[in-house]
Amino acid sequence: QKEVEQNSGPLSVPEGAIASLNCTYSDRVSQSFFWYRQYSGKSPELIMSIYSNGDKEDGRFTAQLNKASQYVSLLIRDSQPSDSATYLCAVNDGANNLFFGTGTRLTVIP
Amino acid sequence: GAGVSQSPRYKVAKRGQDVALRCDPISGHVSLFWYQQALGQGPEFLTYFQNEAQLDKSGLPSDRFFAERPEGSVSTLKIQRTQQEDSAVYLCASSLVRGDLALSYNEQFFGPGTRLTVL
Repeated sequence: QKEVEQNSGPLSVPEGAIASLNCTYSDRVSQSFFWYRQYSGKSPELIMSIYSNGDKEDGRFTAQLNKASQYVSLLIRDSQPSDSATYLCAVNDGANNLFFGTGTRLTVIP
Repeated sequence: GAGVSQSPRYKVAKRGQDVALRCDPISGHVSLFWYQQALGQGPEFLTYFQNEAQLDKSGLPSDRFFAERPEGSVSTLKIQRTQQEDSAVYLCASSLVRGDLALSYNEQFFGPGTRLTVL
């Protein structure tokens, strides 16, 4: 059974702060890791992908992967109210489908 | 370029009716996936196509669910004799190539989804 665990939140941060979102996964053979942003009533939007240990930065977003600890995280710097959404962690086992966590709801307070 | 499109965006069905949900993937994308998302949950895998071949249907919840992609592009998810527990958002995603090839190409891009309500 492949499992992806996330804190459901809600996580509230003030505008301009760093939001830290965490995810653990159970399948050691997982190779690809993704963060999706989902606004209420909308479909998931891919914001970050990471495949190797370490950090990957894209604008205000940084994804961190530690395969030994089976842990992946997303940092959002200079959080904006428009970042308020549910963030879904997804793990691909290298074959085909994605396994998703239940998502962490983030609220950025102006 | 155009993203993944799905139709209809909303569907209301009476219990026992059959429904058909359509997905048009990003042009050139080999792989197509269907997911079901219940309220407050992450998407759950239903089935996967590589071109016209259905390589994995392990997530389909019952034999009332059927998916096809006859020409390797547009896909249809059909639900027969709908039940109230089928009410959910059905999401379609596509990716450029198989997940076991170059990892950077296995990113999946989602369509807007079809919200199905079974009364």
